[in-house]
Amino acid sequence: GDSVTQMEGPVTLSEEAFLTINCTYTATGYPSLFWYVQYPGEGLQLLLKATKADDKGSNKGFEATYRKETTSFHLEKGSVQVSDSAVYFCALLFSSGSARQLTFGSGTQLTVLP
Amino acid sequence: DSGVTQTPKHLITATGQRVTLRCSPRSGDLSVYWYQQSLDQGLQFLIQYYNGEERAKGNILERFSAQQFPDLHSELNLSSLELGDSALYFCASSVAEGRGIYGYTFGSGTRLTVV
Repeated sequence: GDSVTQMEGPVTLSEEAFLTINCTYTATGYPSLFWYVQYPGEGLQLLLKATKADDKGSNKGFEATYRKETTSFHLEKGSVQVSDSAVYFCALLFSSGSARQLTFGSGTQLTVLP
Repeated sequence: DSGVTQTPKHLITATGQRVTLRCSPRSGDLSVYWYQQSLDQGLQFLIQYYNGEERAKGNILERFSAQQFPDLHSELNLSSLELGDSALYFCASSVAEGRGIYGYTFGSGTRLTVV
């Protein structure tokens, strides 16, 4: 079945460092891809999305490009801030008829130190 | 506030008991999804409802059941609770069936502790 593999955490960076969180997926067909972020004590928030190959999603300085040839959707940010500390989840959404299922990776804990 | 409301926020109950978790979707959203988040299993999809009808089932135990009511709110019923059922239960909603590009909007979750 469909699955998402995320880079193992936790990741600890200094403020203004470059961030990459790797995400690869296995799916039949052409899923939509997402990054969600979960701040402590809160639910998941959509960070960015891409719906087809070569699409680039971006939001709040984060970017990810849908790479069909490498089945990847790596998250990047050029300069992280302390406020970016959270858990990041890569996810794929596949629709089959009327059923829809959003499948998540295991999450990557990011801590940014001042 | 995401617009998806989950109650209660916290729940502590004993093994063998039954609880009901409630979710009100964002205004205009017809689909509701339930997820379980635990340390060892990560985020697991349980079930999807669309406009009152079940549409997709994930790793939902037989002891668990859900429904979506005419006003579109949903309830997740967990029975014969075990210690391993302790987790965060999230509800999410989406705009419409098949409109995958919009993603889901999540509530803040119900933390269930079984003692």
